[in-house]
Amino acid sequence: NAGVMQNPRHLVRRRGQEARLRCSPMKGHSHVYWYRQLPEEGLKFMVYLQKENIIDESGMPKERFSAEFPKEGPSILRIQQVVRGDSAAYFCASSPGRGPVNYGYTFGSGTRLTVV
Amino acid sequence: ILNVEQSPQSLHVQEGDSTNFTCSFPSSNFYALHWYRWETAKSPEALFVMTLNGDEKKKGRISATLNTKEGYSYLYIKGSQPEDSATYLCAFRIGGNQFYFGTGTSLTVIP
Repeated sequence: NAGVMQNPRHLVRRRGQEARLRCSPMKGHSHVYWYRQLPEEGLKFMVYLQKENIIDESGMPKERFSAEFPKEGPSILRIQQVVRGDSAAYFCASSPGRGPVNYGYTFGSGTRLTVV
Repeated sequence: ILNVEQSPQSLHVQEGDSTNFTCSFPSSNFYALHWYRWETAKSPEALFVMTLNGDEKKKGRISATLNTKEGYSYLYIKGSQPEDSATYLCAFRIGGNQFYFGTGTSLTVIP
């Protein structure tokens, strides 16, 4: 039973390019969360999605960032016109129910984005 | 922005020593606290889910306690082993959909 799959593991983009990060939740999990870890900082919440719905995007920067979780396929975190400050590790987590209060998150291995 | 403080930031112990570290969080509107173990090059793995004041959880040599009134949780490791070397994260929720993560305690167990 595969866990949460994220790809790519490492992504290098030049300033101004687009970055697409993919996350396939664990089998049976319908809730996806994206977190970002900036250098020397803890994991920071970005967005919470269910299939075809954004439930909470209060942690997303207002511009250039978007997320989706389509009916078919993985969840995508998209960053347009990347800047150096977007360089970070982006982690996806999934849970079987609304809010991982009783279950804990199952995390993917992360995508390390480097903007050059 | 809610602050979750973990201390110490890093810790080196000898194999066989017992150790503990702290997670401090705002004591009002508590909803849940999680502990995660994060080994280098892997993903964080859930250790404990704690929701009630006074909760004590145990998994093998690792245990955790929770005091929601004063806003802290302790993680204990008895008889540390080299394979316990990892970063231990706590995450706190007050409701809503997000957890607030600390920056972790990095534990190195020296054989």
